[in-house]
Amino acid sequence: AQKVTQAQTEISVVEKEDVTLDCVYETRDTTYYLFWYKQPPSGELVFLIRRNSFDEQNEISGRYSWNFQKSTSSFNFTITASQVVDSAVYFCALDRGSTLGRLYFGRGTQLTVWP
Amino acid sequence: EPEVTQTPSHQVTQMGQEVILRCVPISNHLYFYWYRQILGQKVEFLVSFYNNEISEKSEIFDDQFSVERPDGSNFTLKIRSTKLEDSAMYFCASITGEYNEQFFGPGTRLTVL
Repeated sequence: AQKVTQAQTEISVVEKEDVTLDCVYETRDTTYYLFWYKQPPSGELVFLIRRNSFDEQNEISGRYSWNFQKSTSSFNFTITASQVVDSAVYFCALDRGSTLGRLYFGRGTQLTVWP
Repeated sequence: EPEVTQTPSHQVTQMGQEVILRCVPISNHLYFYWYRQILGQKVEFLVSFYNNEISEKSEIFDDQFSVERPDGSNFTLKIRSTKLEDSAMYFCASITGEYNEQFFGPGTRLTVL
């Protein structure tokens, strides 16, 4: 069975702090894809990153970075020097690859960045 | 930049009424999806659609739900007789088939009274 666990329900930080959002996944597939989405208060789902199971390189995009570790089935997301605009719910999701496009979402982490 | 659009943005209906949520996927995309998010909860898969038929559906997608691609552009989700627990945000998504990045629409908030 496929499962995505985001153990942190809510995180609060003060602006400029670094924050890491955890994501642990379960799948028996050897080919799969992992995603992070941001959901601001306005409600839309904003795509942040897609990573396939064969690419364990960490990725950095501006203040965002992602750490993919197959050995621990984790795909963690770090925001460096957080800003108030980063306040949102962040979802980690898994796509099996064999069922093209069906995403399994975690429960999300509500991040609040205080000024 | 092409985007998935959804109408209406907010729909209010009475319990037992039928509703149709509309989506226009990105034009060259081949796979279409509906997801639902009950307020404060995670996003849940409802159904996927390819080549004019359902390719997969979840246990949530019971006989009250149906999907259709009535023309070359629209993709609709119909709920035949709405229940209070159908109140949620409904997201449409599409992909090309080559890449697994899903493009989500802005969502339709359905409120059942």
